[in-house]
Amino acid sequence: DGGITQSPKYLFRKEGQNVTLSCEQNLNHDAMYWYRQDPGQGLRLIYYSQIVNDFQKGDIAEGYSVSREKKESFPLTVTSAQKNPTAFYLCASSILGVKTQYFGPGTRLLVL
Amino acid sequence: QQQVKQSPQSLIVQKGGISIINCAYENTAFDYFPWYQQFPGKGPALLIAIRPDVSEKKEGRFTISFNKSAKQFSLHIMDSQPGDSATYFCAASNFPGNTGKLIFGQGTTLQVKP
Repeated sequence: DGGITQSPKYLFRKEGQNVTLSCEQNLNHDAMYWYRQDPGQGLRLIYYSQIVNDFQKGDIAEGYSVSREKKESFPLTVTSAQKNPTAFYLCASSILGVKTQYFGPGTRLLVL
Repeated sequence: QQQVKQSPQSLIVQKGGISIINCAYENTAFDYFPWYQQFPGKGPALLIAIRPDVSEKKEGRFTISFNKSAKQFSLHIMDSQPGDSATYFCAASNFPGNTGKLIFGQGTTLQVKP
C-alpha cells in the first residue's frame, strides 16, 4: 500500500525540549511539505522540499527545522524556540510539477 | 494578495439538502483550485480540483463552480449525507516552477443532520 505515514500520532513536549516528528512516504514523490493546523484556521506552510538535500522556508518557519537526507523522509523538529507549539502537524507530498498534494494522518503535539 | 478567503466558517444542512461553501481570492495568477475534505483527527484528502479555463467541474455529488471575473469559486454538495459531515478547505496555487505550494482557506465545518 502506497501512502504517507506520520509518527507518533500524539507527542508531548516539555518546556525547553526539542521534539522531532517523523514523515515517511513510499509514493516516490519528489516534493514534501510540512503544515501546521490550529483550530478554526487553515493549514499554514512551515517548510517544503522539492529534492533531496534542499528545502525552503514556508510562511511560519520560525522555531522549526527540517532535513531531507532521503527522498522518502522529511522529519520536522519543533525546537524550544517555538513558543506556541501545540497544534496538529500535517505532512504532505506531491509529484514534482504536479500540484496535487497527498496528506499523511497527522501528529498532534501537546505541551506538558 | 496571496490570501484565500473562505465562508461560511460553519454550516448546518439537513440530509438531502445542498451544501454550498464559497471561496474568494485576489491573485489572478492562481491557476489551480483544489478542495480538500478532512475528518476529525485525520489528514485532509483531495476531493475535487479545477483550473481557471473551466467554469464548472462535477464529480458525483460534488461540483466546483468557478467565476474567473469575480475571482470566486465554490463547492456544492448535492443530496448532502451525514457521512459528508467534515471540515472542507479550499486552496489555490500559482507558484512558479510548479513548486506545488498551496494557499489554504480557513476551513468550513459542515454538519449534515439526519
